[in-house]
Amino acid sequence: QKEVEQNSGPLSVPEGAIASLNCTYSDRVSQSFFWYRQYSGKSPELIMSIYSNGDKEDGRFTAQLNKASQYVSLLIRDSQPSDSATYLCAVKYNTGTASKLTFGTGTRLQVTL
Amino acid sequence: EPEVTQTPSHQVTQMGQEVILRCVPISNHLYFYWYRQILGQKVEFLVSFYNNEISEKSEIFDDQFSVERPDGSNFTLKIRSTKLEDSAMYFCAGGRVDSPLHFGNGTRLTVT
Repeated sequence: QKEVEQNSGPLSVPEGAIASLNCTYSDRVSQSFFWYRQYSGKSPELIMSIYSNGDKEDGRFTAQLNKASQYVSLLIRDSQPSDSATYLCAVKYNTGTASKLTFGTGTRLQVTL
Repeated sequence: EPEVTQTPSHQVTQMGQEVILRCVPISNHLYFYWYRQILGQKVEFLVSFYNNEISEKSEIFDDQFSVERPDGSNFTLKIRSTKLEDSAMYFCAGGRVDSPLHFGNGTRLTVT
């Protein structure tokens, strides 16, 4: 059973601080990694994708991937109240032509004023 | 930017009734998926669809579920005889090879 693990939180950070969200996955052959943001009652919205070891930056967001440790993280710099949401880690296992995403339970982030 | 469109946004049905959830993927998507999310739980894979046939399905996707792409644009999920435990948000998603999935806004299904 392929698993994606996240701390459910809530993770509370003050406005302007760095939020660090972590995710581990069980299958070493995982190929693609994604962070989605989900507001309550809404659909997942893609924030970042990362495919190779190292860091990938996009604006205030940085994704970090360490395949040897089976670990992927998301850093949010200068956190804003609008960043308050649940962040879903998703892993694509190459199971065939239409590879599915496996999601973690999500980490709820609260950015306080 | 094109969006994946789902209808209806909210469907209320009685136990035992059939429901059809509809999705219009982005035109250049090749792969189509249905996921569901029970309130407070994780997003779960139901089924993937490619080249007009099911590529993979989960244990959740039993004989009560079916998918179709009847006219080359719409992508539907049918639940033949709904149960209380089918109450969830259902998300359609689409994508291309080696691209992230883009999700629709979801249909909230309430079975009473």
